[in-house]
Amino acid sequence: NAGVTQTPKFQVLKTGQSMTLQCAQDMNHEYMSWYRQDPGMGLRLIHYSVGAGITDQGEVPNGYNVSRSTTEDFPLRLLSAAPSQTSVYFCASSYGDPGTDTQYFGPGTRLTVL
Amino acid sequence: GQNIDQPTEMTATEGAIVQINCTYQTSGFNGLFWYQQHAGEAPTFLSYNVLDGLEEKGRFSSFLSRSKGYSYLLLKELQMKDSASYLCAVRGASGGSYIPTFGRGTSLIVHP
Repeated sequence: NAGVTQTPKFQVLKTGQSMTLQCAQDMNHEYMSWYRQDPGMGLRLIHYSVGAGITDQGEVPNGYNVSRSTTEDFPLRLLSAAPSQTSVYFCASSYGDPGTDTQYFGPGTRLTVL
Repeated sequence: GQNIDQPTEMTATEGAIVQINCTYQTSGFNGLFWYQQHAGEAPTFLSYNVLDGLEEKGRFSSFLSRSKGYSYLLLKELQMKDSASYLCAVRGASGGSYIPTFGRGTSLIVHP
């Protein structure tokens, strides 16, 4: 049982490039979320999903897209990278409603946009 | 919206007790979480409170007062490995996002 996995662990992009951050979980969790973490800002929610085919926006969705075609995978796409998107990105999942159930976090992707 | 406030940094001595406070203002309340995050790692779950009172789990305890919008995490018999950031997360009323809102975290430094 691998839990929540994220790839890549590190990435450097140039302004304007696009890329996809991968997230997968093997715990059959319905709920999945993407956060970004910046120094002094805590974790901020980008997008989340309550099941395959269902996604919604969080606090800071601009510049990011998501899709949820399977229960296991929840990729995050950066459409046109900007320096303001330099951050650490965490994916999380939970079996039940994350407002009342434990979230399990992946190891993170450290992204730098030049 | 939701507003969550925690101290930015605290220091304590190995073997001592430390209390990390979290105050929140939400429209409704559906639970409060504490997560631990070591530097360069992912957050991991510590505790969940939905009713008033103290929940004890080994060296860690978490307290909640819903009427005061207040929680604390109590760490006893501090160890060097407890040096980490402690994140308070609160979910407000049902409707809208299912996801709790995180505070900015409290960085705890334990010294010998």
